[in-house]
Amino acid sequence: NAGVTQTPKFRILKIGQSMTLQCTQDMNHNYMYWYRQDPGMGLKLIYYSVGAGITDKGEVPNGYNVSRSTTEDFPLRLELAAPSQTSVYFCASSYPRGGANYGYTFGSGTRLTVV
Amino acid sequence: AQKITQTQPGMFVQEKEAVTLDCTYDTSDPSYGLFWYKQPSSGEMIFLIYQGSYDQQNATEGRYSLNFQKARKSANLVISASQLGDSAMYFCAMREVLTGQFYFGTGTSLTVIP
Repeated sequence: NAGVTQTPKFRILKIGQSMTLQCTQDMNHNYMYWYRQDPGMGLKLIYYSVGAGITDKGEVPNGYNVSRSTTEDFPLRLELAAPSQTSVYFCASSYPRGGANYGYTFGSGTRLTVV
Repeated sequence: AQKITQTQPGMFVQEKEAVTLDCTYDTSDPSYGLFWYKQPSSGEMIFLIYQGSYDQQNATEGRYSLNFQKARKSANLVISASQLGDSAMYFCAMREVLTGQFYFGTGTSLTVIP
């Protein structure tokens, strides 16, 4: 039972480079999310998706893009990386609603450093 | 207004003692769920416990219990018999059923002292 799988776990980028953080879930969850967590801080929502083909901005979307072509995959694209994007990125998924099942399942996180 | 408020940035507890981590929430949605997550130093987010807004009894999961006071809009996490491995960040979260929106608090750092 894989749950939510994020790759890579660690990455160092140079300023101006681009990369894609991968996220895959095998629980047939409709909802998927991308959060960032800065050191010592809580989670901030970057983008979310309520189903394949549907995405929407969260609290801090600038500098990022997402796509959702399948239920399973929700990649996060960083264009022109900046030092302010140094953070830990979490992907999560959930059912739309219904008891404890509509809590989040989190991936293990991607630690990104931009230098 | 903050949807989830955790007023304790850091807490200390003696090993084997109980500790309460505070959480208050704000919503006008009559149906919602409350969650607690643990984030150890390794970084992963671990689901601990869930309380539904219509649940009559407080949720319990092993050493974790959720003290749900609906009128006060509070959902405090109680950890009994603290262990060294409980040292971590703890996040309170709420999900509104109508909107589907999920809100996180800023977290409480718990340190268990031997």
